[in-house]
Amino acid sequence: EVQLLESGGGLVQPGGSLRVSCAASGIIFSRYAMNWVRQAPGKGLEWVSAISASGGTTFYGDSVKGRFTVSRDNSKNTLFLQMNSLGAGDTAVYYCATGSRLGYCSGGSCLGGFDSWGQGTLVTVSS
Amino acid sequence: DIQMTQSPSAMSASVGDRVTITCRASRGISNYLAWFQQKPGKVPKRLIYAASTLQSGVPSRFSGSGSGTEFTLTISSLQPEDSATYYCLQHDDYPLTFGGGTKVEI
Repeated sequence: EVQLLESGGGLVQPGGSLRVSCAASGIIFSRYAMNWVRQAPGKGLEWVSAISASGGTTFYGDSVKGRFTVSRDNSKNTLFLQMNSLGAGDTAVYYCATGSRLGYCSGGSCLGGFDSWGQGTLVTVSS
Repeated sequence: DIQMTQSPSAMSASVGDRVTITCRASRGISNYLAWFQQKPGKVPKRLIYAASTLQSGVPSRFSGSGSGTEFTLTISSLQPEDSATYYCLQHDDYPLTFGGGTKVEI
């Protein structure tokens, strides 16, 4: 059974930084692309970032580009999201979700997946 | 960026009703679309992928159709446990984009 466990959320002041993590088990982590999705209180889902299985390629949503950095440590089965220059608009529950499995996709299907999600970690940006 | 327009944003229906939710993409995305269900306080759950493929374990009353720019999620006979918010997601190109969501009340 796939398990994704986020951690590192909390209260941070505007302009501050925070790093959230996602520990994976039950999958060969190094074979999966991974995603971050966030959900502001009472709002819809927003895709934030993706990283390839190797970690060599990353993608970002327009609202976080230049401020957030996604990375992974395949030796520790862990995904990270470094968030800088945080503002009130970044207040949300941050979910990690699996992406496509290496070698099991083609074309746009390689950008998909999302069949397993973590429980989320709440990031609150407030003074 | 590809915009996903989902409608309606909210609806109320009765047990046994047929429910249809639509997502329109601002440009063609082939069949690179997934549907998710999210109940209050819970994690999103994938229902449909590749526009029409039912996720394992999801009841057969859920179905998806469409290709290109218009997609639908249909619940053939609404059940009380289907009360939730439903989202579409395009994964044809980055940045990935979700629809705005449809809240279904029983």
